[in-house]
Amino acid sequence: DAGITQSPRYKITETGRQVTLMCHQTWSHSYMFWYRQDLGHGLRLIYYSAAADITDKGEVPDGYVVSRSKTENFPLTLESATRSQTSVYFCASSEPGQGTEGHFGDGTRLSIL
Amino acid sequence: GQSLEQPSEVTAVEGAIVQINCTYQTSGFYGLSWYQQHDGGAPTFLSYNGLDGLEETGRFSSFLSRSDSYGYLLLQELQMKDSASYFCAATSGAGSYQLTFGKGTKLSVIP
Repeated sequence: DAGITQSPRYKITETGRQVTLMCHQTWSHSYMFWYRQDLGHGLRLIYYSAAADITDKGEVPDGYVVSRSKTENFPLTLESATRSQTSVYFCASSEPGQGTEGHFGDGTRLSIL
Repeated sequence: GQSLEQPSEVTAVEGAIVQINCTYQTSGFYGLSWYQQHDGGAPTFLSYNGLDGLEETGRFSSFLSRSDSYGYLLLQELQMKDSASYFCAATSGAGSYQLTFGKGTKLSVIP
């Protein structure tokens, strides 16, 4: 089935560790986005990508790294995790020109101890 | 930068109508979207306004006024299952598309 999947769904790690959150979409949408959601802040854009090998910073990019070697994958890496990065992370994809409907994955709940 | 303002909470009675407002300040604005998110779930797309005016999708309608940098989501015939958070989101950018969200409005529908 077409869709957008995130893995893992839940992750607990320690400060200073590197952790990678995966995102895979089957629609071949050109745009992909990473958001974090925290109480009181709504959804904040971390990074986005317009196409393979094209990425750009969003509102809160510090401490995160992304790559997009293939259209369908957009992994997010926390190079040295901090407690402030405990959050729910959502990946989304869209194809501008079609009403810019954003399709979201189910989220990754990340806890950093 | 981009910013969108919407009320943090709204309470309405089952069967009634509720309007959730959104004002935005964005550069390179293309359009305004609305998303619904139930507790513990992912945001789901409701509607998009690329032009001024009203878009209707069943019980939900969305409005945009570019001159006022303002939009709203109208929910009619409220049902208990409409209790959720609602986010406005702006598509903007110069040559690319950012999707920036407001902080969300928590709607509680009461009997």
